[in-house]
Amino acid sequence: GESVGLHLPTLSVQEGDNSIINCAYSNSASDYFIWYKQESGKGPQFIIDIRSNMDKRQGQRVTVLLNKTVKHLSLQIAATQPGDSAVYFCAETRTGTASKLTFGTGTRLQVTL
Amino acid sequence: GAVVSQHPSRVICKSGTSVKIECRSLDFQATTMFWYRQFPKQSLMLMATSNEGSKATYEQGVEKDKFLINHASLTLSTLTVTSAHPEDSSFYICSARPPRGGVLGQPQHFGDGTRLSIL
Repeated sequence: GESVGLHLPTLSVQEGDNSIINCAYSNSASDYFIWYKQESGKGPQFIIDIRSNMDKRQGQRVTVLLNKTVKHLSLQIAATQPGDSAVYFCAETRTGTASKLTFGTGTRLQVTL
Repeated sequence: GAVVSQHPSRVICKSGTSVKIECRSLDFQATTMFWYRQFPKQSLMLMATSNEGSKATYEQGVEKDKFLINHASLTLSTLTVTSAHPEDSSFYICSARPPRGGVLGQPQHFGDGTRLSIL
């Protein structure tokens, strides 16, 4: 189902440190997961994805971990930079649903100098 | 590649007017486009799935007569908010799904949203 939050949780991280953003997804039948970054006044921007047959995937400075047992997804950002400040959403979908995405609540990442 | 353009980016209008928002896929054809609504500090909520050449599929609780969707070509979908009222003020975002089997990878490519303010 849809995920609507009353407020956005905030993660404050010092520049250069690693960030870990967590997401609990709702549908055990979901088999494809995506992390998006949304800057103020803009649409979501793709960061990294992972399929359910994997438990880890790495990109440039980012790593996604998937734990299907507890329906948990995390995004790790290495050496966080001020430009990483944004709201991060996880999204889930299931094969056969015409790529229909269900978004998580979102987490605001604030990078302090 | 895979650019989705949304227009206008911001609109302010009086209560009772109708507002049309356009969503275009600039460098790929999209048989399916999606419309989302986002309130401040909240997540994206899917409003409807727009299919080229057929009627849109609306999510539960979304009034189809209020939010008219037209997907007349493979590169353009429009959302018209009819008789808009202040409670319709929100950030509306569209996305387009690239062709199946294409090399674009992602399931949806997003526009930059339209900030709608109804006075």
